[in-house]
Amino acid sequence: DTAVSQTPKYLVTQMGNDKSIKCEQNLGHDTMYWYKQDSKKFLKIMFSYNNKELIINETVPNRFSPKSPDKAHLNLHINSLELGDSAVYFCASSHPTRWWTQYFGPGTRLLVL
Amino acid sequence: DAKTTQPPSMDCAEGRAANLPCNHSTISGNEYVYWYRQIHSQGPQYIIHGLKNNETNEMASLIITEDRKSSTLILPHATLRDTAVYYCIVRVPISNFGNEKLTFGTGTRLTIIP
Repeated sequence: DTAVSQTPKYLVTQMGNDKSIKCEQNLGHDTMYWYKQDSKKFLKIMFSYNNKELIINETVPNRFSPKSPDKAHLNLHINSLELGDSAVYFCASSHPTRWWTQYFGPGTRLLVL
Repeated sequence: DAKTTQPPSMDCAEGRAANLPCNHSTISGNEYVYWYRQIHSQGPQYIIHGLKNNETNEMASLIITEDRKSSTLILPHATLRDTAVYYCIVRVPISNFGNEKLTFGTGTRLTIIP
């Protein structure tokens, strides 16, 4: 009965590779988000989607491309991975009338070597 | 959104009340105070929010001063599982269909001591 799930949990890869992280929520929420938490533990929003439409794009490099095939899924594809992309990526979702209660996934720990 | 200031760390004995302060002296009249926490290696978790009245739920209580320039999150009987980073966030609660980002600061690292 997991609310927000992410796969994979850990991702170790070489610089220059392309990788994807998947997120699914079974809460029936319309809005989904991607956050990045860097090594200093700062947690910042990257993207948000509402009903499969991109709403927030926070000055993230073009190498990052989110895709929402339906309201329950929001995937993050990263091209040409760089060392600085190493971080924990969290997916979250919320209901439009209670957006402040965002439900976060367990995170994907990405390490770029 | 109003800026918040929290102590970087606090300790609390297990079983005692943990009182986590947050200063938000530039808060405007329509901004709410939200609290989240992040237990090690997990995603953040919503705790409670309020405008000006004190609020209580099954997880915690929120006390907001009369001038609304500061607030305190109270965990009434802290357990070891409450060890986490606690974030105080201030913003207006207007829903704009996806444009409702949470801006996390550095938070307070609360350690519950057995």
